[in-house]
Amino acid sequence: EAQVTQNPRYLITVTGKKLTVTCSQNMNHEYMSWYRQDPGLGLRQIYYSMNVEVTDKGDVPEGYKVSRKEKRNFPLILESPSPNQTSLYFCASSYKGDGAGELFFGEGSRLTVL
Amino acid sequence: AQSVTQLDSQVPVFEEAPVELRCNYSSSVSVYLFWYVQYPNQGLQLLLKYLSGSTLVKGINGFEAEFNKSQTSFHLRKPSVHISDTAEYFCAVSEVYSSASKIIFGSGTRLSIRP
Repeated sequence: EAQVTQNPRYLITVTGKKLTVTCSQNMNHEYMSWYRQDPGLGLRQIYYSMNVEVTDKGDVPEGYKVSRKEKRNFPLILESPSPNQTSLYFCASSYKGDGAGELFFGEGSRLTVL
Repeated sequence: AQSVTQLDSQVPVFEEAPVELRCNYSSSVSVYLFWYVQYPNQGLQLLLKYLSGSTLVKGINGFEAEFNKSQTSFHLRKPSVHISDTAEYFCAVSEVYSSASKIIFGSGTRLSIRP
C-alpha cells in the first residue's frame, strides 16, 4: 500500500531534550516536506527536499533541522525543543515536486514540549 | 506571492443539507487550486484539484468546486452532506510552473454535521 509513515504519532517531551520524528514514503517520490499545523494558522511549511541531499527552508524553519540521505526518508530533528514547538506535524511527499502534483500526507505526529 | 483565504473557520450544517465552503485566493499569475480534507486523527488527502480546462471540478465523495477567475474564488460544494463528511477542509493554491514547495494552504474550515 502506498503510504507516508511517521513516527512517533504522539510524543510528550521536556524542553531541551533532542528528538527526531521520522518520515518514510514507499512511493519513490522525489519531493518531501514537513509542515506544522496550529489552530487557526493552517499548515506552515518547515523544510522541504526536492531530492536526495537537496533540502531547503520553508516558512518556519527556526529550531528545526532535516536531512535527506535516502530518497525514502526525511527525518525532522528538534535539537533543543521549546514549548512553542508544541504542535501537530505532518510529513508529505509528491512524485516530482511540481506545483500541480498531489501531496500525500502522513497521519501526523502530535508533539507536546513541557 | 500568492495567498489564500478561507473566510469561515467553522461551518455547522444539518445532515442531508447542502453546504458551501468558501475559498478566495490572490495571485498575480495563473494558479493551480486544491481542496484537501482532513478527517479526525488523520492526515490530509486530496479531495479535488483545478489545473486547467473546465472550471467545474468534481472530486471524491460527491464534492465539487468551481473556479471563478474574475472573483478569484474556488468554493467547495456538496448538495447533501452526511455525518461522514465531518472533517476539516483546506483550500490550497500554487502558482503555475512553480514547485510543490510554493503551495500555500488556507487556515482551514471545520465542517460539523448535525443529525
